[in-house]
Amino acid sequence: KQEVTQIPAALSVPEGENLVLNCSFTDSAIYNLQWFRQDPGKGLTSLLLIQSSQREQTSGRLNASLDKSSGRSTLYIAASQPGDSATYLCAVHGGSYIPTFGRGTSLIVHP
Amino acid sequence: GAGVSQTPSNKVTEKGKYVELRCDPISGHTALYWYRQSLGQGPEFLIYFQGTGAADDSGLPNDRFFAVRPEGSVSTLKIQRTERGDSAVYLCASSLTSGALQETQYFGPGTRLLVL
Repeated sequence: KQEVTQIPAALSVPEGENLVLNCSFTDSAIYNLQWFRQDPGKGLTSLLLIQSSQREQTSGRLNASLDKSSGRSTLYIAASQPGDSATYLCAVHGGSYIPTFGRGTSLIVHP
Repeated sequence: GAGVSQTPSNKVTEKGKYVELRCDPISGHTALYWYRQSLGQGPEFLIYFQGTGAADDSGLPNDRFFAVRPEGSVSTLKIQRTERGDSAVYLCASSLTSGALQETQYFGPGTRLLVL
């Protein structure tokens, strides 16, 4: 059974720092990996989707990398802003339409 | 519609009662998913619809949980004889076609269920 772990569970940083959020998964036979953002009281918003054949994806200040063989992905946030404060979730698809989610990293960026 | 909507946004009920949670997917999306998210956890899959039929209900925890999507659009998640352990946020998501893996799922804001 696929297990997804996200480290750290919580992070509080001053504005402007570059951040790295980590996601690891136990079964490397994945189809793709997706990073989501969840704001309090809101649903999930997709940030980046990396196919298993890809190494990274970029969107604005966000960059996600994937090392399938080692079962790891990182989400890099450049020049963090208070508006980046949210919970970041990693989800992997192991060949079915049912994703396995991690517990998330709760991020606070303070001014 | 502009996005996935869910009603009610909050529901408080007593142990043993019956509840219905509603999801309106994005217009034209044929795939619909229900998830349950407990505090401090990631979402856990409950059931997936392709059109009107439940293509996969393997995530439903027991027979107190049931979901329908009679016309291939709106879906209702029904919970009978609610228990305190059912308290969670219930999320609905939809995607354009048949749940293809490269498709993005669009999530609703969730229904927060509290069973007293």
